[in-house]
Amino acid sequence: IAGITQAPTSQILAAGRRMTLRCTQDMRHNAMYWYRQDLGLGLRLIHYSNTAGTTGKGEVPDGYSVSRANTDDFPLTLASAVPSQTSVYFCASSDGGSDTQYFGPGTRLTVL
Amino acid sequence: AQSVAQPEDQVNVAEGNPLTVKCTYSVSGNPYLFWYVQYPNRGLQFLLKYITGDNLVKGSYGFEAEFNKSQTSFHLKKPSALVSDSALYFCAVRDRDTGRRALTFGSGTRLQVQP
Repeated sequence: IAGITQAPTSQILAAGRRMTLRCTQDMRHNAMYWYRQDLGLGLRLIHYSNTAGTTGKGEVPDGYSVSRANTDDFPLTLASAVPSQTSVYFCASSDGGSDTQYFGPGTRLTVL
Repeated sequence: AQSVAQPEDQVNVAEGNPLTVKCTYSVSGNPYLFWYVQYPNRGLQFLLKYITGDNLVKGSYGFEAEFNKSQTSFHLKKPSALVSDSALYFCAVRDRDTGRRALTFGSGTRLQVQP
């Protein structure tokens, strides 16, 4: 069982370019999340999805969009990247109850 | 609103000594509380959680945490630190009385265990 996979592992991107970060889980969890991690700020929620077909905004959603067409996949898109979106991005999933979240390995994104 | 404070950016402890990583939280209702650990260039790994019941929660790798409702704290502890425990530790909270399922994380505490 792989758990959660993220792709790419890292990426350097020119400002203004469009980028999609991929996230796939094989645990059949109904909820999925995207966080960004920045030094001294911990993890901040970008977007979430409680179940396939629904999405919601987190603390820092501006400049990002998500979709949840099925249970397993939850891609994060930067429509026009800016340098302030340089960060490490983590995808997570959870399944009911206390909603313990399980994390992917992360994508390190640098926007120049 | 929910929030978490980890007052120490870094904790230094000698191998074999007990360690404590502090966490305080704020929620409107009753909390679910979590600790995660992050090793360099890795994702977050779940360590332990408090849901309800016994205030002392035991988790992976010999770690435990004590829920204190009156002090709104959930400090992480280990009786005898190992060099391999050196990592970044995050406390997180979720208000179980709301529909919000996402966690709110603290800013993290770096634990450095010296040989």
